[in-house]
Amino acid sequence: QKEVEQDPGPLSVPEGAIVSLNCTYSNSAFQYFMWYRQYSRKGPELLMYTYSSGNKEDGRFTAQVDKSSKYISLFIRDSQPSDSATYLCAMDPGAGSYQLTFGKGTKLSVIP
Amino acid sequence: DVKVTQSSRYLVKRTGEKVFLECVQDMDHENMFWYRQDPGLGLRLIYFSYDVKMKEKGDIPEGYSVSREKKERFSLILESASTNQTSMYLCASQGSLFYGYTFGSGTRLTVV
Repeated sequence: QKEVEQDPGPLSVPEGAIVSLNCTYSNSAFQYFMWYRQYSRKGPELLMYTYSSGNKEDGRFTAQVDKSSKYISLFIRDSQPSDSATYLCAMDPGAGSYQLTFGKGTKLSVIP
Repeated sequence: DVKVTQSSRYLVKRTGEKVFLECVQDMDHENMFWYRQDPGLGLRLIYFSYDVKMKEKGDIPEGYSVSREKKERFSLILESASTNQTSMYLCASQGSLFYGYTFGSGTRLTVV
C-alpha cells in the first residue's frame, strides 16, 4: 500500500461549484498536513497547512484532517476558473523529519 | 517574500551532455531538495541536503549528482544526460521552524 493515495482526476466542475479534494494515508505518524496548488508549468505553492486533526479555513478554502480515518480533504467554495490547477496533498511526521510525503496530485478544471 | 530561484525555465540538451541545474534560496534555509515530476508518477525525490557539503540520496539518485558548497545554493548535475531524464525538475527549500517546502518555478529539461 502506498503511503499517500490521491485520485489523479481529472476533475471538471462548473464555476461556482463546491469542490472536494481528498487524500488517504497509511502512516499514523504523520502530524503535519499540507495542500499545494500547482499551476501548469509552474512549481507547487503552499495553499493550506494544518497540524494534527481538525479544520482550518482561509477564505474560500477549508482544509480538514481526520486522523482517526487517516483522511484529509480540501474544500473549495464558489470555485473560480482561476482555481484550475493540480492540487497535491503533502504530509510530514514532524520530529525533525526532513522529507514531506506527497500525493500524486488531482487535476482540477473549473469551467466558466 | 521568500524565494527559491531556478536558473533556467526551459533547457534543451543533447544525449551525453553534462547538465547543471542551479537553485538558489534567499531564506537561509538549512534543507534543500531536488525532485523530478513526471505525468502519472508525481514528485520523486532525487537528492536532498541538510547542510553545506552534506547530501543524501533520495528515491531515484541514479544518473544524478549534487553539490552544495554554499548554504543558499544547491546544484543538480546530470553526469551524462539521457532521453529518460527529460522531465520537469523542481528545487525546494525547507527551514527548521516550518515543515513545508518552498518550491522554485521548475526547469523543464528536454534531452534529445
